Amino acid sequence: AQTVTQSQPEMSVQEAETVTLSCTYDTSENNYYLFWYKQPPSRQMILVIRQEAYKQQNATENRFSVNFQKAAKSFSLKISDSQLGDTAMYFCAFLRPNTDKLIFGTGTRLQVFP
Amino acid sequence: GAVVSQHPSWVICKSGTSVKIECRSLDFQATTMFWYRQFPKQSLMLMATSNEGSKATYEQGVEKDKFLINHASLTLSTLTVTSAHPEDSSFYICSPFQAGDYEQYFGPGTRLTVT
Repeated sequence: AQTVTQSQPEMSVQEAETVTLSCTYDTSENNYYLFWYKQPPSRQMILVIRQEAYKQQNATENRFSVNFQKAAKSFSLKISDSQLGDTAMYFCAFLRPNTDKLIFGTGTRLQVFP
Repeated sequence: GAVVSQHPSWVICKSGTSVKIECRSLDFQATTMFWYRQFPKQSLMLMATSNEGSKATYEQGVEKDKFLINHASLTLSTLTVTSAHPEDSSFYICSPFQAGDYEQYFGPGTRLTVT
């Protein structure tokens, strides 16, 4: 069974600094999708970034980038130039092939302080 | 991104009553609808999956008679919590999905408080 593990329950970073959130997963599949979702205090789930497993190039979206290590089954999120609005819960998610079901990690609560 | 609405955003009900939560995909057709439940400071837990016009498939441990899901159209799905109890108090999130797409969208959620 696929599992997603986020080993950092809480992280904090100073504004303008860089922070990396960790995520590992377990699967026997070769083709799949990985996502990072942000859930701010409003609790609206927001897609931050996605990565297709067949792509070797790491995905980037403005200040957000991932370090995708397929062999190690690792999918970390790097947030550069952290902003106060980045304060949120971050969930790593794995899209199980052929089921369209997302498997979420337990989440990392990120606090950005001035 | 896709626009998804949920109604109500917050509901308080008395124990033993039923509550209906609506989820609408406003600008695309949702062939599949996922319903999640989220307890405070926890992750999203998938409750059930429904395809338009079909019966929902429930995850292990989720009572299908308590959480009734209807997906009558490609833009509307409802979750009815029947005979609600305080332990049903939670945050419920819908997630419509369009066949052929790999991205899921999420509604803003509904906070249910059962007194």
